[in-house]
Amino acid sequence: GQQLNQSPQSMFIQEGEDVSMNCTSSSIFNTWLWYKQEPGEGPVLLIALYKAGELTSNGRLTAQFGITRKDSFLNISASIPSDVGIYFCAGRISGTYKYIFGTGTRLKVLA
Amino acid sequence: NAGVTQTPKFQVLKTGQSMTLQCAQDMNHNSMYWYRQDPGMGLRLIYYSASEGTTDKGEVPNGYNVSRLNKREFSLRLESAAPSQTSVYFCASSEVGGRGTNEQFFGPGTRLTVL
Repeated sequence: GQQLNQSPQSMFIQEGEDVSMNCTSSSIFNTWLWYKQEPGEGPVLLIALYKAGELTSNGRLTAQFGITRKDSFLNISASIPSDVGIYFCAGRISGTYKYIFGTGTRLKVLA
Repeated sequence: NAGVTQTPKFQVLKTGQSMTLQCAQDMNHNSMYWYRQDPGMGLRLIYYSASEGTTDKGEVPNGYNVSRLNKREFSLRLESAAPSQTSVYFCASSEVGGRGTNEQFFGPGTRLTVL
């Protein structure tokens, strides 16, 4: 099946630090989505990317659609305790209706 | 708008029992999806419906059936539940096609335990 590698698997950081995580695919995507999931909840969409090279921000979050269309990056600046959760990337292969999900990055912020 | 809603939120079944998970969306999306999420794993696609009247298998369809009842509703049925189907089930919807319309939105999930 399709593979989507997300790293790192987990991160422990101090409040105020910046965070970076990324996803790489064996396939070319025409859409990248980034989600945050908190315990007991469904994933919540943070950022959507549609074009190679695109850089999009949502508050302290910035995501980029890789030039090769096989990768994407999410950065969180000046982390705060409420950033805690699991962050997932997802990609959609051109011409299909299916989304492939990464295995998630578990973020913990130490106050 | 409620977005994507799912019922029930929690369910415990005995092996061999059957049940149907319900999902509805009020965003007028064409496409709907069922995923399962297991510890340490990402979301795996069970079935999806690209548009009303169509359904297709995803990555892990065995043991499940789906019905796209109308544009708003997409149900997932377990005919004979097995312990391996213990998981959290998420329904999602999206409007696939064209720039700015590929966002996928999720419901709150159904936590299913099969004893």
